[in-house]
Amino acid sequence: DIQMTQSPSSLSASVGDRVTFTCRASQGISNYLAWFQQKPGKAPKSLIYAASSLQSGVPSRFSGGGSGTDFTLTISSLQPEDFATYYCQHYNSYPLTFGQGTRLEIK
Amino acid sequence: EVQLVESGGGLVQPGGSLRLSCAASGFTFSDHYMDWVRQPPGKGLEWVGRTRSKASSYTTEYAASVKGRFTISRDDSKNSLYLQMNSLKTEDTAVYYCARASRVAGRSYMDVWGKGTTVTVSS
Repeated sequence: DIQMTQSPSSLSASVGDRVTFTCRASQGISNYLAWFQQKPGKAPKSLIYAASSLQSGVPSRFSGGGSGTDFTLTISSLQPEDFATYYCQHYNSYPLTFGQGTRLEIK
Repeated sequence: EVQLVESGGGLVQPGGSLRLSCAASGFTFSDHYMDWVRQPPGKGLEWVGRTRSKASSYTTEYAASVKGRFTISRDDSKNSLYLQMNSLKTEDTAVYYCARASRVAGRSYMDVWGKGTTVTVSS
């Protein structure tokens, strides 16, 4: 199975900051990587697919990058509604697996 | 509006069974692979399994933790997805989400999620 490791596990930042999350796959997954945002008590929301493609309706301050084993999710200027937990997930092969999540908190 | 609505969750004893449903609307259900994902209380997301479309013979894939106990099925005439859960264990306690998978460049990723239904396995 492919393991997905996210770092950091949690991050404190302020409105307007630029933040970057990292996701590493235990083996190459090409660009078959998605990012999701989840707020407490809510369902996950799709942000990015194919490592860098923005899901329809997602603000352009979100961007993704990477290929192979190392990936990033960047928020260029944090907004109050962005404080949430972020998960990466590969869909290269079965079983599909998620990272453990990065919790983004208000500083 | 694209929508997925799960139902069927509840309290069940260890060893028991439960069937979850997911009603889809706002898109051509039969064209899409569909997934189940779960989230134990206070923990992260775990993929449970997938059913492919009729074009791919409705074949299924499962996580090792549920294989042999859970069965995913679908009824395209009712725009519905199902998860039959047997031999339930306390560690199956979670919120269960259904998700639509959309195909891009030869692979399918989850792009729309339901709000989830809660399953509690306890005596």
